[in-house]
Amino acid sequence: DSGVTQTPKHLITATGQRVTLRCSPRSGDLSVYWYQQSLDQGLQFLIQYYNGEERAKGNILERFSAQQFPDLHSELNLSSLELGDSALYFCASSFTGESPLHFGNGTRLTVT
Amino acid sequence: DAKTTQPPSMDCAEGRAANLPCNHSTISGNEYVYWYRQIHSQGPQYIIHGLKNNETNEMASLIITEDRKSSTLILPHATLRDTAVYYCIVRVEWSGNTGKLIFGQGTTLQVKP
Repeated sequence: DSGVTQTPKHLITATGQRVTLRCSPRSGDLSVYWYQQSLDQGLQFLIQYYNGEERAKGNILERFSAQQFPDLHSELNLSSLELGDSALYFCASSFTGESPLHFGNGTRLTVT
Repeated sequence: DAKTTQPPSMDCAEGRAANLPCNHSTISGNEYVYWYRQIHSQGPQYIIHGLKNNETNEMASLIITEDRKSSTLILPHATLRDTAVYYCIVRVEWSGNTGKLIFGQGTTLQVKP
């Protein structure tokens, strides 16, 4: 158990809808990272927050947004969903930008 | 960003050592080599990391060549549960508390009875 908690485990929704994925980092970790893993793209870095502030951005679509709250949990919001957004979404946390990342077990999103 | 090259797949007999190679010829002096693995769509699991010295922990050993252009992850006694995709990653952007990991395609290690 990595100590990173992601909810929900599975999510099925329709095209055009909006969903929110939640991540609770390991106790004491200040950084949260979001990754997307689809069959044809591998693990893609989306965005990182450190202590509430955005620190790095990857290939995150404009339809996607994220935030990290004062209690350090994070949410990834996906809107105007398309079939191609179906993927595993992983959250990871680390104490600092120099500490190893520890990953949760992901949220499997299916868009129908 | 420093890139890594790994063989797409490898086999290993159960109980034998698994040696997974990685090339990172463009690595910079302050970049670390990280190894993660992912077992069947679970979240990636941290294994080990190093800068230039060899490292060992309860899971594996990491051997980095003197010129740092390549490394080898060693699982000393592979078990069936070690079957996974193994990722070798050069970590970028340490400043300002960034530290994202950029994953490549990895090596699929199949441990066989």
